[in-house]
Amino acid sequence: DTAVSQTPKYLVTQMGNDKSIKCEQNLGHDTMYWYKQDSKKFLKIMFSYNNKELIINETVPNRFSPKSPDKAHLNLHINSLELGDSAVYFCASSQDRGRGYGYTFGSGTRLTVV
Amino acid sequence: GENVEQHPSTLSVQEGDSAVIKCTYSDSASNYFPWYKQELGKRPQLIIDIRSNVGEKKDQRIAVTLNKTAKHFSLHITETQPEDSAVYFCAASPLNAGGTSYGKLTFGQGTILTVHP
Repeated sequence: DTAVSQTPKYLVTQMGNDKSIKCEQNLGHDTMYWYKQDSKKFLKIMFSYNNKELIINETVPNRFSPKSPDKAHLNLHINSLELGDSAVYFCASSQDRGRGYGYTFGSGTRLTVV
Repeated sequence: GENVEQHPSTLSVQEGDSAVIKCTYSDSASNYFPWYKQELGKRPQLIIDIRSNVGEKKDQRIAVTLNKTAKHFSLHITETQPEDSAVYFCAASPLNAGGTSYGKLTFGQGTILTVHP
């Protein structure tokens, strides 16, 4: 069983389109995250949800909107995609919201905007 | 906010040699420091972590040291093997004013480790 699963794995789309990435974890963790990894491999947090509540929002354009229907799911919707949005997006979850212990990443979604 | 600096950005060693990667952090309230290994096209995976009440931790060929006074921590890999080749990331978990971080990890820039057979 995959602990943190993301779909799709690859996403190629044109500028201006709207797309969604889905994430599900079966670890029973309370906290889920979205990270962006750019072409230089730098990993930067975008959002964090704890038990469906948004707790971290790191200066991300409002074209990005996370949604957490329940604590096992955290989806990312992106409107009006731009070339600069091309990156690998990783979902993650952790078992201890205070410290991030037990952080587990999904396999990533490689988004290419053309 | 927290800032984590990682050096070197690339490291090339011969099989069997040791490799050391160093990180510094800025927020003295950070107290959890994990290391992740990311192979090409794969997800980052936790390889070892250390908490601020411990100065050193070892797991087989991998060890991590922490100096809270100097605000730096290091990853040591001994007897390197070609399969150790990957990108390695350090991270720190800072605290906000309320005393929790909600698990936010601030990552270093990564080190590309290449182990030559």
